[in-house]
Amino acid sequence: KQEVTQIPAALSVPEGENLVLNCSFTDSAIYNLQWFRQDPGKGLTSLLLIQSSQREQTSGRLNASLDKSSGRSTLYIAASQPGDSATYLCAVRPWGGGSQGNLIFGKGTKLSVKP
Amino acid sequence: KAGVTQTPRYLIKTRGQQVTLSCSPISGHRSVSWYQQTPGQGLQFLFEYFSETQRNKGNFPGRFSGRQFSNSRSEMNVSTLELGDSALYLCASSLASASGGQYSYEQYFGPGTRLTVT
Repeated sequence: KQEVTQIPAALSVPEGENLVLNCSFTDSAIYNLQWFRQDPGKGLTSLLLIQSSQREQTSGRLNASLDKSSGRSTLYIAASQPGDSATYLCAVRPWGGGSQGNLIFGKGTKLSVKP
Repeated sequence: KAGVTQTPRYLIKTRGQQVTLSCSPISGHRSVSWYQQTPGQGLQFLFEYFSETQRNKGNFPGRFSGRQFSNSRSEMNVSTLELGDSALYLCASSLASASGGQYSYEQYFGPGTRLTVT
């Protein structure tokens, strides 16, 4: 059974710092991995999607990497800003012959960036 | 292009009642998935619909059901509500089409419906 773990559960950093959020998964048979951001009481905003054949994806100040063999992904945020404060969720889509429709989520890392 | 919309945004119901939630996917998206989010369990997959057919189902009791219409809009229904059904219910849509020989299945989420059962 696929399990996704995110460590740490919460992180507080001063503005301007570069930071890394970690995600690990138990089964390397994944189709893709997606990082999301969730603001309090809101839905999820997709940040980056990495296909199983890819090693990393970049968007602006964000860079996500994927190492399937070790069951790990990292989300790197450069030059953090107070507006980056949110909960960051990692989710994997299991491999299974086409869309299985379901993402398996970690519990998230709550990030707080202090001015 | 409009995003995923969900109605209503907030609901308060009493134990034993039933509730219907609605989701309109991004135009052109044919796959709609539903998730339940609670503080204790996090995000859990309920079911996925594609072209009006349920294609995958999570581990939830039969009180949770759904359907999809020909225009890809989807509804989920919860019957005989329990206190533990209080949660944020999220809908996500996906284009589920190939680009460069590989399907993306990137999911786009709506704002959610906050259900409170008293």
